[in-house]
Amino acid sequence: SAVISQKPSRDICQRGTSLTIQCQVDSQVTMMFWYRQQPGQSLTLIATANQGSEATYESGFVIDKFPISRPNLTFSTLTVSNMSPEDSSIYLCSVAPAENTGELFFGEGSRLTVL
Amino acid sequence: QKEVEQNSGPLSVPEGAIASLNCTYSDRGSQSFFWYRQYSGKSPELIMSIYSNGDKEDGRFTAQLNKASQYVSLLIRDSQPSDSATYLCAVTASNTGKLIFGQGTTLQVKP
Repeated sequence: SAVISQKPSRDICQRGTSLTIQCQVDSQVTMMFWYRQQPGQSLTLIATANQGSEATYESGFVIDKFPISRPNLTFSTLTVSNMSPEDSSIYLCSVAPAENTGELFFGEGSRLTVL
Repeated sequence: QKEVEQNSGPLSVPEGAIASLNCTYSDRGSQSFFWYRQYSGKSPELIMSIYSNGDKEDGRFTAQLNKASQYVSLLIRDSQPSDSATYLCAVTASNTGKLIFGQGTTLQVKP
């Protein structure tokens, strides 16, 4: 298993601002992902955070809106840029400690409300 | 058609009963299947994985897989109020290996 710390756990943001979410894992992991969970919805994969290279984004998500950094195997950040109320959501960091990328461990999530 | 479909519920069962949660998927090439449990206000946690046709039991939980019918289910025996949560079915996409989640079924176990 892996222990994942995310911060902030929640925040209220103004329209047009940007917020960076941090994800710290207690062990080195190869695969790290960022998910979004909108109110009452399931999880949608935003991107795979690649160590030392650009993240791999899923359809509908772009780097300008959701820049991701991953400087090492235990840490990643997700920035939500130029926020609008539609970005109000829970953002979750997850890792796959083993090769099986279906067995994920999730951070506690960051609940963002954009006014 | 959604890639992973679940009845959103809520599914309400009395304490001690068997809860049956169902999931269908569209990717015939998918090989790995998972059930995650998410308590209200918490993040998902993995409770079961299944890779072969048939049943897999773990305590009060049984996962069932039928690849021919593209169907996965989760049975919870002797349901407890503490089992009340949203259960997310997840399937790995055959082309990317990425995990695709269903919308989840909310289970309510009434004392």
